[in-house]
Amino acid sequence: DAGVIQSPRHEVTEMGQEVTLRCKPISGHDYLFWYRQTMMRGLELLIYFNNNVPIDDSGMPEDRFSAKMPNASFSTLKIQPSEPRDSAVYFCASSLLGTNTEAFFGQGTRLTVV
Amino acid sequence: GENVEQHPSTLSVQEGDSAVIKCTYSDSASNYFPWYKQELGKGPQLIIDIRSNVGEKKDQRIAVTLNKTAKHFSLHITETQPEDSAVYFCAASTGGAGTYKYIFGTGTRLKVLA
Repeated sequence: DAGVIQSPRHEVTEMGQEVTLRCKPISGHDYLFWYRQTMMRGLELLIYFNNNVPIDDSGMPEDRFSAKMPNASFSTLKIQPSEPRDSAVYFCASSLLGTNTEAFFGQGTRLTVV
Repeated sequence: GENVEQHPSTLSVQEGDSAVIKCTYSDSASNYFPWYKQELGKGPQLIIDIRSNVGEKKDQRIAVTLNKTAKHFSLHITETQPEDSAVYFCAASTGGAGTYKYIFGTGTRLKVLA
């Protein structure tokens, strides 16, 4: 398996624009997580899905953020409108059989909002 | 709320020496404690984990110890090598049906000096 695949790897956008980050989890994994990493706040869990259903989105910072998982092999994280403080590295991770197991991370998307 | 504290934030050691990173957690219900290594430009990758029913676990040069009474756990790397240089994250998880609390520490940047 190629692992968790995220796209794009880098994204530079202007403030106010819509940004969509994409993730393909490892085939067969039933949990998918979106994390945000910044120097100030470290790794923050934004939202996670189980069998394509959002379970906990309490980490989503604002209504400008939304995430979907239309099927078992694809998820998106959307920011609309984007702001400079959204600049960070966004990671997608997936795991199998619950939460107390290894999470496999993608390479991340480095987002810069100017 | 629940949190995980990690120390030190940076650590420099001579090649061949040992490195120790310490974490404390607040949620007494936490029962899974993974350690992740993040290399530059990559996502975090699990290197070792321990569950609450075990006090110590070792894998070659890496070991983790857990003290549930004191709510702290530590990563030990012996005979450090330059390729051990990376950022290390601890995490504490409280898994259970319908819940997920996977809280990361703030990270330790380890530099192994040749």
